[in-house]
Amino acid sequence: AQSVSQHNHHVILSEAASLELGCNYSYGGTVNLFWYVQYPGQHLQLLLKYFSGDPLVKGIKGFEAEFIKSKFSFNLRKPSVQWSDTAEYFCAVTTPYNTDKLIFGTGTRLQVFP
Amino acid sequence: EAGVAQSPRYKIIEKRQSVAFWCNPISGHATLYWYQQILGQGPKLLIQFQNNGVVDDSQLPKDRFSAERLKGVDSTLKIQPAKLEDSAVYLCASSPRTGTSGGGTQYFGPGTRLLVL
Repeated sequence: AQSVSQHNHHVILSEAASLELGCNYSYGGTVNLFWYVQYPGQHLQLLLKYFSGDPLVKGIKGFEAEFIKSKFSFNLRKPSVQWSDTAEYFCAVTTPYNTDKLIFGTGTRLQVFP
Repeated sequence: EAGVAQSPRYKIIEKRQSVAFWCNPISGHATLYWYQQILGQGPKLLIQFQNNGVVDDSQLPKDRFSAERLKGVDSTLKIQPAKLEDSAVYLCASSPRTGTSGGGTQYFGPGTRLLVL
């Protein structure tokens, strides 16, 4: 079965530090890739997505992610985090079997301290 | 634009009781999803509707869970009887059309937090 792995369960950073959150998926064929974010007390919302084309995807709030097909990875990056980036981040994938079915990773909790 | 509405926001029940959750998707969204999110895990799709038809319910525990979307708009998810392991957040999401490959985004509601004692 398809799966998504997020190895960083909890990340603690100071403001202005750089961020990279890992995401690996298990499906070998064509995938669509997503990062969702859940700020404290808020809904899950889309941060960025990759369907095809340029493997470097830019999202909202200065986030970007790079799709590396050979590594089955879609890592999320931000060069300089802010306190307001404190949230839980979920990587997700859909496959051609059901292009609507989001398969989520377990999430990474990010805490940013001033 | 109003978002996805869910109620109740919190529910505490005892095991073997029944419970129902309600979801009203964003107006005009044809596809509706119910996800279960257990503490420490990512959301897991339980059931997906396209209008009032079921597209995917492969991970719905059908012996105790049921869902309907009779008029193709709002939806209810029921658990009967509840077990301790059903304690989770139940998320509803909607999207304007089938297939996120075309750029459709799923919009999530605030969730219903269920505690089974």
